[in-house]
Amino acid sequence: DGGITQSPKYLFRKEGQNVTLSCEQNLNHDAMYWYRQDPGQGLRLIYYSQIVNDFQKGDIAEGYSVSREKKESFPLTVTSAQKNPTAFYLCAARAGTNSPLHFGNGTRLTVT
Amino acid sequence: KNEVEQSPQNLTAQEGEFITINCSYSVGISALHWLQQHPGGGIVSLFMLSSGKKKHGRLIATINIQEKHSSLHITASHPRDSAVYICAVNTGNQFYFGTGTSLTVIP
Repeated sequence: DGGITQSPKYLFRKEGQNVTLSCEQNLNHDAMYWYRQDPGQGLRLIYYSQIVNDFQKGDIAEGYSVSREKKESFPLTVTSAQKNPTAFYLCAARAGTNSPLHFGNGTRLTVT
Repeated sequence: KNEVEQSPQNLTAQEGEFITINCSYSVGISALHWLQQHPGGGIVSLFMLSSGKKKHGRLIATINIQEKHSSLHITASHPRDSAVYICAVNTGNQFYFGTGTSLTVIP
């Protein structure tokens, strides 16, 4: 089955540590996205990538970094510079501008 | 200012009831999406539409481009429909998301 795999489902870190969230897709989609979801708010875009080796900042990129070395993979690093990292993180991909988004099952990050 | 507004925020219905969730948006769009998020967190795309109406099983989505408004209807609701329903609009490369409507269907 084609899809998007995010791992791990739950992640716990101490404040001051960097942490990397994994996102892998076997849909052969060019565009990939990272969103953050907080209670009572709509999804907010962190970073997106339209093609390999290229990515763009979204609305809330500060404190995050990404890479896109392979079409299938778009890992997100939450750095110690992110002031409020505890949240639910969703990875998505789509085939093109007029295509729907396909989402992973998300990673819930808790930083204490 | 939110580009996408949904109503209601929360909705409780008896099994079998007809349900309507509304979405209004303020930007020019290429398409509108209805998404479903279950308690586990994963999101599934239900509909993508740019005009008219689409139907899939008991779900119907409509859009009025002139009024910048869309509705999601669920006929003969069932407890398994309990989820958060999210409206999202695509302006090209950018998506804007509503805050979601939490639906609970009681047996």
